[in-house]
Amino acid sequence: GAGVSQSPSNKVTEKGKDVELRCDPISGHTALYWYRQSLGQGLEFLIYFQGNSAPDKSGLPSDRFSAERTGGSVSTLTIQRTQQEDSAVYLCASSLWEGYSYEQYFGPGTRLTVT
Amino acid sequence: RKEVEQDPGPFNVPEGATVAFNCTYSNSASQSFFWYRQDCRKEPKLLMSVYSSGNEDGRFTAQLNRASQYISLLIRDSKLSDSATYLCVVNAMNYGGSQGNLIFGKGTKLSVKP
Repeated sequence: GAGVSQSPSNKVTEKGKDVELRCDPISGHTALYWYRQSLGQGLEFLIYFQGNSAPDKSGLPSDRFSAERTGGSVSTLTIQRTQQEDSAVYLCASSLWEGYSYEQYFGPGTRLTVT
Repeated sequence: RKEVEQDPGPFNVPEGATVAFNCTYSNSASQSFFWYRQDCRKEPKLLMSVYSSGNEDGRFTAQLNRASQYISLLIRDSKLSDSATYLCVVNAMNYGGSQGNLIFGKGTKLSVKP
């Protein structure tokens, strides 16, 4: 079946502009996660959504970052007033969330470059 | 102590070699464990879950030692295509999030040479 999709695949923006990144999770998956990965670094957790529960925003680095998930499916990560240090690959993952089975499946990512 | 610790490597091995990666985690309450692989400039992909009794999938064997909070991955008969970064992953417990949040190690880089 279809996997996690993300758009755009690449985004170049000027410092100070706002950007929106989109994630379409696997159909039926109730949990959705956002991570970012800088070049040569590990994954940095940003935020996750599970069903109708309040999202866990504990990983968002600043109030310039926000995310929403509409209708329990598609999610948008918004970065306001982008800075050069925001340049990274932004990865989305989804999970079925059953019992102790928390395998996450990742999308191909959005490579964000802030000039 | 870091939540999930791995030797960053790189591990440079010849084709056909057996290689083992280790990982330690800090939260004894964690219940779910995984190995992911990540190819250069690609997204992480689930390699295998790690079960309490240990499990094997072809050339790959994963072991869990709860008492020592230690996870291992053994790769036998290494192939060139095994070259990647291997991420040790543990579910978060009582970190202010719920059980489904995963914590990713920074990965161990493997390079298999002809």
